[in-house]
Amino acid sequence: QVQLVQSGTEVKKPGASVKVSCKASGYVFTSYHIHWVRQAPGQGLEWMGWMFANSGETKYTAKFQGRVAMTRDTSISTAYMEVSDLRSDDTAVYYCARNAGSPHDSWGQGTLVLVSS
Amino acid sequence: QAAPTQPASVSGFLGQSITISCTGTSRDVGGYNLVSWFQHHPGKAPKLLIYEVSERPSGSSNRFTGSKSGNTASLTISGLQAEDEADYYCCTHAGGQISVFGGGTKVAVL
Repeated sequence: QVQLVQSGTEVKKPGASVKVSCKASGYVFTSYHIHWVRQAPGQGLEWMGWMFANSGETKYTAKFQGRVAMTRDTSISTAYMEVSDLRSDDTAVYYCARNAGSPHDSWGQGTLVLVSS
Repeated sequence: QAAPTQPASVSGFLGQSITISCTGTSRDVGGYNLVSWFQHHPGKAPKLLIYEVSERPSGSSNRFTGSKSGNTASLTISGLQAEDEADYYCCTHAGGQISVFGGGTKVAVL
């Protein structure tokens, strides 16, 4: 069955970077997009962008352009999402999802990133 | 890109039907038949209920129905059950291969 397993909780200081991984199994990794969505405490879901796992093509919302990088390692069917120059308002649960909002939709369990001095 | 507007909360009695609206613009909700709806229980991954305005993926109950009129999409939950108590989000294509979530609606079952 399709599974997306994300890396564990991260605690970072302001200004640092964090890289969250999302390991896919149960399907052909390079045939789909990986989307990233986050939810800050007490806030709603926020769509960050996507990466096509085959070519590595990416698209980010304007808010994250320049501070977020989505990459992948096809040899281990793993997608990565790196946020640089972390701020306190980047504290959130980050989700990866295969083709979110499509009939092929499948989500990871979420990764908590806590930014605190 | 502004988020589509959803009511902050909607409530209904067990067995009743409720409707959640998602109001955007002609550049997002109204411009594409690419509206999806997600159910989100705290601490769990979001679950897709509806895609492409009104299509149900496998595993989604037929108690969930999606529709759209102009710049407003809607999700109707019929036969409200206790486990339907959750947060609900619409998500729409917004041009330029970008998507945006609505602000979310908390559903309470009375």
